[in-house]
Amino acid sequence: EAQVTQNPRYLITVTGKKLTVTCSQNMNHEYMSWYRQDPGLGLRQIYYSMNVEVTDKGDVPEGYKVSRKEKRNFPLILESPSPNQTSLYFCASTMQGRADTQYFGPGTRLTVL
Amino acid sequence: SQKIEQNSEALNIQEGKTATLTCNYTNYSPAYLQWYRQDPGRGPVFLLLIRENEKEKRKERLKVTFDTTLKQSLFHITASQPADSATYLCALAPSIGTASKLTFGTGTRLQVTL
Repeated sequence: EAQVTQNPRYLITVTGKKLTVTCSQNMNHEYMSWYRQDPGLGLRQIYYSMNVEVTDKGDVPEGYKVSRKEKRNFPLILESPSPNQTSLYFCASTMQGRADTQYFGPGTRLTVL
Repeated sequence: SQKIEQNSEALNIQEGKTATLTCNYTNYSPAYLQWYRQDPGRGPVFLLLIRENEKEKRKERLKVTFDTTLKQSLFHITASQPADSATYLCALAPSIGTASKLTFGTGTRLQVTL
């Protein structure tokens, strides 16, 4: 089954404690992205990657890092989480050159105390 | 700056009626526009895409229109059912092949009642 998986699905942590949210897709897609979704603000792109070792900032990259060492994986790293990073996070992937069918993961709900 | 607005946060309609959701944009010239459905606690699911040179697209009970002069897209669900209740998001992209640069609206929550 074609899918994007994220782990963990839920996470409560404390300010300053480094964390990583993993994302993996099994569709051999080139493009992968991370979004955060907040009430009233909608989905905002954090980082995206067009292929292995190629990443770029989205609209709200501050406080986040990403890496793309393998085509299927695109982890999101919060080196020093703060309460304003409490949000619902989604990973997504799509095939290069295809305008349609962006596949989203199930989401990770992060709470930073 | 680019702005995408979706009409009203919530829309309530009766089962069997046609639901019409609006997506307006400013300071943007999208090559295409997408509509997604999002259920509570889940990731968005792609529904339809319409390109800038297309006026209308249909898929089963769904219809999307795209008016680049008005800078507006309308999303219609005909013969609506309670199972259509969800939040619907529109998303714009600047050019073909730039799916990684989608900009999303905040969504409209549709509630279909019996």
